[in-house]
This record gives sequence, C-alpha cells and structure tokens, in this order.
Amino acid sequence: DAGVTQSPTHLIKTRGQQVTLRCSPKSGHDTVSWYQQALGQGPQFIFQYYEEEERQRGNFPDRFSGHQFPNYSSELNVNALLLGDSALYLCASRSDSNYGYTFGSGTRLTVV
Amino acid sequence: QKEVEQNSGPLSVPEGAIASLNCTYSDRVSQSFFWYRQYSGKSPELIMSIYSNGDKEDGRFTAQLNKASQYVSLLIRDSQPSDSATYLCAVNGEYGGATNKLIFGTGTLLAVQP
Repeated sequence: DAGVTQSPTHLIKTRGQQVTLRCSPKSGHDTVSWYQQALGQGPQFIFQYYEEEERQRGNFPDRFSGHQFPNYSSELNVNALLLGDSALYLCASRSDSNYGYTFGSGTRLTVV
Repeated sequence: QKEVEQNSGPLSVPEGAIASLNCTYSDRVSQSFFWYRQYSGKSPELIMSIYSNGDKEDGRFTAQLNKASQYVSLLIRDSQPSDSATYLCAVNGEYGGATNKLIFGTGTLLAVQP
C-alpha cells in the first residue's frame, strides 16, 4: 500500500519564478494538507484541501495557492518565489475519520 | 507565547535509559495530540497519538496528557541509538471542528549515546 507520494524530491528555482509541487495521498485518504518546514523549525501549516475545496488556510500570502483533484491528489503552487521560500514542503494526508496525518517524504525547494 | 512549546535540546541520554520529552500548548480547547519522529533530512513519522488525559503505551513509547496543565509528554524506555532524532509535538489547533489543522512545536533533538 503506497503511502503519501510527493514529486519532485528536490528543486532549484530562481527568485521570481513559479513552482508547482505535487502530492498523491495515501490510499483511502481524502484530506490533504500542505506544510512548510524551514531548517530547524517545526512544520508550518499552509492549507488543507477536502472535496476539492480549500477548507482552511494558515498565515501564508496569496502567492501560495493549491488545488485538489477528484482523485484526491493535490498541487501546491508558489508564485514570485523569494529566497525565504526555500524550505522542505511536506504533504500530509488523512481520512476524515482518523485524526492522525501521514506525511510524504517532502520536496526540498531551494530558491537562488 | 508560542502555541506549542518544546525544549529544542539536544537531550542526551545513555543507551538503555529513559528519555523524557515534554511539550506545552496554549489553546485550552485542543483535543488531539501527536508525537512525530523526524530523522535528519527525512519527513515526520507519526509514533503516538493521545486524546484523553492519562497515559497511553505502545511498545517502548508512552504518551502522557494532562489537559488541565496543558502538558503532553513522551517517554521512551530502553532508549536505543536508532531513537536519535528530532521529536515533534503536534496539537490539533481547531476548535473541535473537522479540519484538524496541526500546530507543531519546533521539536526536541534527542541524542542517545551508545
């Protein structure tokens, strides 16, 4: 049973560019959340998707946007990249009946 | 005040000892509490969840919750070098709703010395 899969694993982008990160949730999971983890910090909540709708959003600017598809997979888009966007981006999924989130292996984004 | 606070460590314990990791949270209505283990360069892995006051044991791990004191802890018995990692405390930050946004602490680095 595949867990949460994320792609790509690593990415290097230039300031001002746009990036799209992808996530496939664990089988049976319908809720997807995205987190940003800077070095030495805990994951910070970006937003959560359920039934293709953004259900909750953290304290991130509008440059961060997302989408959930009918098969529950999700994308995270970041526009106008800043150096400070360099971080590990984590996708986590769960079923609505289970509070525990399963994390993917993450995408390491470096902005130069 | 941070919503979820942890001592960043490092917490150094000898092999075979009990490691005690602590976490406090500020939101009194939090309902769900989790401990994640994160190895360097890897993603967080859920190791324990606890929802009610008291202790919950799973193998060498025991989670303890005291909602009155807004305190949750993780005990690791018979610590092994392979337990060396950062341990993240996470709290359900939603007011009993369905979204279950998790709020994380900054993590405690545990080093088990052989």
